[in-house]
Amino acid sequence: GQQVMQIPQYQHVQEGEDFTTYCNSSTTLSNIQWYKQRPGGHPVFLIQLVKSGEVKKQKRLTFQFGEAKKNSSLHITATQTTDVGTYFCAGRGSNDYKLSFGAGTTVTVRA
Amino acid sequence: GAVVSQHPSWVICKSGTSVKIECRSLDFQATTMFWYRQFPKQSLMLMATSNEGSKATYEQGVEKDKFLINHASLTLSTLTVTSAHPEDSSFYICSARDPGLAIGELFFGEGSRLTVL
Repeated sequence: GQQVMQIPQYQHVQEGEDFTTYCNSSTTLSNIQWYKQRPGGHPVFLIQLVKSGEVKKQKRLTFQFGEAKKNSSLHITATQTTDVGTYFCAGRGSNDYKLSFGAGTTVTVRA
Repeated sequence: GAVVSQHPSWVICKSGTSVKIECRSLDFQATTMFWYRQFPKQSLMLMATSNEGSKATYEQGVEKDKFLINHASLTLSTLTVTSAHPEDSSFYICSARDPGLAIGELFFGEGSRLTVL
């Protein structure tokens, strides 16, 4: 199956700054999903991207799906303390019902 | 959104004993549920896919005799860690999709933290 790589593993951000986490797949994906896991909590679905080159926004979060459908990014602007947590991307291959999760980017925010 | 409930949240057991973890879909029927294992500060590792009324599909490297999965109804899947040892200590988390939703996102249970002494 496909492998999904995610960087960086850790992101320490000054409150108010922007940051981006990136995902890359070894194979073309049919879609990619993003999840957020707060410390001590369970992953919660954020969004799904399906189309090549798709861009979706949720307030300060911008999600992109690459043209080749092999990479994706999550960009957060004006980071707030509520953004603390681990962000996972999860890709689904064309012939696979399973999601492959990236390693996650753990975000900490300094006020 | 759909709700998946997992029980127990915490369990501490002695080495050699078995532990059962339950995963329930509360407001939808799930023919398929997924069991993950998460080590500290690491990603979610898919252990197996639980199929209602049939055998679970295990990922490569996961011992099926060690991690018994039963999916006897459309709302309940159980994971039993048999003859647990300290190396089995981990965060186990289940998830399911609501077939009534078009996107197919996963709804996760709260997770079960297992500590084997």
